[in-house]
Amino acid sequence: NAGVMQNPRHLVRRRGQEARLRCSPMKGHSHVYWYRQLPEEGLKFMVYLQKENIIDESGMPKERFSAEFPKEGPSILRIQQVVRGDSAAYFCASSPSITSYNEQFFGPGTRLTVL
Amino acid sequence: KNEVEQSPQNLTAQEGEFITINCSYSVGISALHWLQQHPGGGIVSLFMLSSGKKKHGRLIATINIQEKHSSLHITASHPRDSAVYICAVSDNNNDMRFGAGTRLTVKP
Repeated sequence: NAGVMQNPRHLVRRRGQEARLRCSPMKGHSHVYWYRQLPEEGLKFMVYLQKENIIDESGMPKERFSAEFPKEGPSILRIQQVVRGDSAAYFCASSPSITSYNEQFFGPGTRLTVL
Repeated sequence: KNEVEQSPQNLTAQEGEFITINCSYSVGISALHWLQQHPGGGIVSLFMLSSGKKKHGRLIATINIQEKHSSLHITASHPRDSAVYICAVSDNNNDMRFGAGTRLTVKP
């Protein structure tokens, strides 16, 4: 059973370009979480999605950032018009179901560098 | 004040020493997680617990719900244990909140 997969592992963008980060959850998992880790800072929650639904996006910046988890295919975190401050590691995690015992499995992360 | 506080921030130990990392939280939680982030950046979930104690190999995690406190212990530490250890809590909305991490260095 493959773990959570993220791609690309490293992404370089110039200011103003778009960044698309993909996350494939573990097989059988229908819940996806995105986290951001800024340089020298801790992890921060961004968004929690189920298939075709955004459940909680309280950690997402209001502009330029969006996320989706379609019925088929991976979850996508999209950053439009990237700025240098978006440079960070973006981690995705998945879990099988929403219960009070919510174990999450982390992907290897995507390291975004904005030049 | 952060909702999840870890101590110490940095910890250096000699190989073989017993290590304790502490975590205190101030929100209601459904579960507490201990994560390990390796120098390469990858994150591994070590434990998820909501009560009592769990053990996996040389790692032990305990939680005291009344005191809102958890500890991660490493017995017979080894240089390969060198990593950042992160405490995180799932609150009652199932959002995860993270501590700042404890950077552990185990010297041979």
